[in-house]
Amino acid sequence: DTGVSQDPRHKITKRGQNVTFRCDPISEHNRLYWYRQTLGQGPEFLTYFQNEAQLEKSRLLSDRFSAERPKGSFSTLEIQRTEQGDSAMYLCASSKTRDSAGEQYFGPGTRLTVT
Amino acid sequence: EDQVTQSPEALRLQEGESSSLNCSYTVSGLRGLFWYRQDPGKGPEFLFTLYSAGEEKEKERLKATLTKKESFLHITAPKPEDSATYLCAVEIRGETSGSRLTFGEGTQLTVNP
Repeated sequence: DTGVSQDPRHKITKRGQNVTFRCDPISEHNRLYWYRQTLGQGPEFLTYFQNEAQLEKSRLLSDRFSAERPKGSFSTLEIQRTEQGDSAMYLCASSKTRDSAGEQYFGPGTRLTVT
Repeated sequence: EDQVTQSPEALRLQEGESSSLNCSYTVSGLRGLFWYRQDPGKGPEFLFTLYSAGEEKEKERLKATLTKKESFLHITAPKPEDSATYLCAVEIRGETSGSRLTFGEGTQLTVNP
């Protein structure tokens, strides 16, 4: 299967700890997106990359969040000094071209629980 | 402010009972409207893209339509396997460059056998 993969699938951490998630997009997709989703809500945009360039970042994203895509392939999302409000599903998606930016392929997500 | 509103929040149907889900939007500079399906514990799955008013797309029992202010997802003779949350998203101009998707809160559909 060559879909979007995310690791880990589940993460439980204590408040104040740092966590890092990884996303591997579909290989020929040059756009990569990060979203956050809480129960009963739609995905909320966090940031996206075109190749290795981070082109858009939500104003809602505090400076505790940082994302990288160093070689234009996989991406990491780091949350520093986690808070209970960070508990959510973190979704990664990829798309092939600018013209199909809305046709995104999502991974299974990483569920973060901050205790 | 750009907004996407879906209704109803939840919908229960009997197998074979056709219905429609609504997605209304208020955005400046709509670049496209997208429907996704999400099963519990999984990421959303892309269904349709609509770009202009009057456009329609079909896939099996689903048909998506678009007007200038809203989109409908029509479900004809649904089956229990159609049970899922259906998400609507609009592509809008980003704050810095490029574009982003703004999702609605979804409609949770349950089809009883």
